[in-house]
Amino acid sequence: EAGVTQFPSHSVIEKGQTVTLRCDPISGHDNLYWYRRVMGKEIKFLLHFVKESKQDESGMPNNRFLAERTGGTYSTLKVQPAELEDSGVYFCASSQVVRAEAFFGQGTRLTVV
Amino acid sequence: AQSVAQPEDQVNVAEGNPLTVKCTYSVSGNPYLFWYVQYPNRGLQFLLKYITGDNLVKGSYGFEAEFNKSQTSFHLKKPSALVSDSALYFCAVRGDMNYGGSQGNLIFGKGTKLSVKP
Repeated sequence: EAGVTQFPSHSVIEKGQTVTLRCDPISGHDNLYWYRRVMGKEIKFLLHFVKESKQDESGMPNNRFLAERTGGTYSTLKVQPAELEDSGVYFCASSQVVRAEAFFGQGTRLTVV
Repeated sequence: AQSVAQPEDQVNVAEGNPLTVKCTYSVSGNPYLFWYVQYPNRGLQFLLKYITGDNLVKGSYGFEAEFNKSQTSFHLKKPSALVSDSALYFCAVRGDMNYGGSQGNLIFGKGTKLSVKP
């Protein structure tokens, strides 16, 4: 069984540019989550999809971040325009049911210069 | 507010010795507790979880964790450490939805770096 896949693994962009991160969850997992770890800090929740619907987006830092999950399969997280403080590792995770453990992808390391 | 504390930034252990990575939590109601491990250049891997039942939970790679409700702790343990156990360990909690806990999101500790020397 394939795990959670994230693309790209690394991205270096200039301040003001746009970046789109992609996450392919485990097949059949309705729940998809985005998390972020800024250097040296805790892993922080960003948002939670159930199928194509946003269940909880309380962790999204501001309106420069836009997440979508069209069709309830893969998800994208767009940052536009990127700022220096957006640098960090963005993790995607999925789970079959909400109360079950979530399985994480390898993360996308975003560096904004 | 829900929170997780991992009081040690780093734990150093000699190979073959027992190891403990500490975690305490604060949630309302019954917690759902998890341990994840991150090896270098890899994603987070699920190790074990406590939802309900036996306070001693066994997980992957010989790890176990003990849920202690009175001390609000969920320490990760292994009887005999391996050099290959060296990694970053994260404790996480999901609150009880009946007490206002979030339905989906995990609250993570800051992580503890485990270093096992030969």
